[in-house]
Amino acid sequence: EAQVTQNPRYLITVTGKKLTVTCSQNMNHEYMSWYRQDPGLGLRQIYYSMNVEVTDKGDVPEGYKVSRKEKRNFPLILESPSPNQTSLYFCASAGTSGSYEQYFGPGTRLTVT
Amino acid sequence: GQQVMQIPQYQHVQEGEDFTTYCNSSTTLSNIQWYKQRPGGHPVFLIQLVKSGEVKKQKRLTFQFGEAKKNSSLHITATQTTDVGTYFCAGVNGANSKLTFGKGITLSVRP
Repeated sequence: EAQVTQNPRYLITVTGKKLTVTCSQNMNHEYMSWYRQDPGLGLRQIYYSMNVEVTDKGDVPEGYKVSRKEKRNFPLILESPSPNQTSLYFCASAGTSGSYEQYFGPGTRLTVT
Repeated sequence: GQQVMQIPQYQHVQEGEDFTTYCNSSTTLSNIQWYKQRPGGHPVFLIQLVKSGEVKKQKRLTFQFGEAKKNSSLHITATQTTDVGTYFCAGVNGANSKLTFGKGITLSVRP
């Protein structure tokens, strides 16, 4: 089954404790992206990757890091989480670029206290 | 930067009523996508429009791309409770291929 998986699905952590949210897709997609969703603000892009070893900032990259060492994986790293990073995070992948249909993962609800 | 606007953010309709929502971009788009997110779920791709003036239908949903490729509409005929959710448009900038999501419109349907 074609899918995008994210782990963990829920996470409560404390300020400053480094964390990683994993994202993996099994569709051999080149394009992957991370979004955060906040009430009233819609989906805002954090980082995206057009291919292995190629990553670019989205609209709200501050406080986040990503890496794309393999085509299927695109982890999101919060080196020092802060309460304003409490949000619902979605990973997505697409065939070639963001202009193609995006497949979203189930989401990760992060709470930073 | 590119802005994609969806107003209002919430709409409530009676089951059986028609519903129309609009998406407007500050820049000319190469294409526009629509997604639906059910409560508690993740966005799911509905459709992509590419050509100026293009109209596509999916059962009771009709999608249209404006002639100037700067706006789009979604029309739902005879809404049902299964139509509940948030509908996002996402525009691809014609100049740099950047994808930008609108804030979405959350539709509730009274049975």
